[in-house]
Amino acid sequence: DAKTTQPPSMDCAEGRAANLPCNHSTISGNEYVYWYRQIHSQGPQYIIHGLKNNETNEMASLIITEDRKSSTLILPHATLRDTAVYYCIVSALTGTASKLTFGTGTRLQVTL
Amino acid sequence: GAVVSQHPSRVICKSGTSVKIECRSLDFQATTMFWYRQFPKKSLMLMATSNEGSKATYEQGVEKDKFLINHASLTLSTLTVTSAHPEDSSFYICSARGVGGTGFFGSGTQLSVL
Repeated sequence: DAKTTQPPSMDCAEGRAANLPCNHSTISGNEYVYWYRQIHSQGPQYIIHGLKNNETNEMASLIITEDRKSSTLILPHATLRDTAVYYCIVSALTGTASKLTFGTGTRLQVTL
Repeated sequence: GAVVSQHPSRVICKSGTSVKIECRSLDFQATTMFWYRQFPKKSLMLMATSNEGSKATYEQGVEKDKFLINHASLTLSTLTVTSAHPEDSSFYICSARGVGGTGFFGSGTQLSVL
């Protein structure tokens, strides 16, 4: 079973920041938070991941709460090409908890 | 970023035939590979996990004799759908994970069984 909860859908105006929340209240100490997105009929694309510190790369920022029970993916300036289903996954690096198990994700619609 | 190549991207076959799907990690060694299937408008469902040189671990409800997985090297895993039937029609996706932990995904294979 997926160990994350995400809203099923969100809308965002182009050029605005898209903030996608994720709850993972049962996360273990050795589990990372990963974000992927999937555009229709393609394989998921890796976005970013983190353990407990906030992370930023060329695609997005990841904010993890201090208790690690939730996180937010931020796309600073959303474009139409960011329309996709976004998945938040918690996973350890090794062992039986290292499976990448997908939940239902958030369908982000970016509009003009 | 890391590249995972999956072939073929699309295959149409007759009922009763077997289909092989290849998944290659092009610029890193994949200690673990995952195979998923996805139905329209649904999320990815994990089918099995394979580690190089050992037998795959299948998720509950997935028939290991129907979905044969081979992970003979650190850069190649294959999924063979044996005696395919129309209900096996689906989008199959592989993921390769290296020592660093991040999983990268192939572009998927759309299987249509007539």
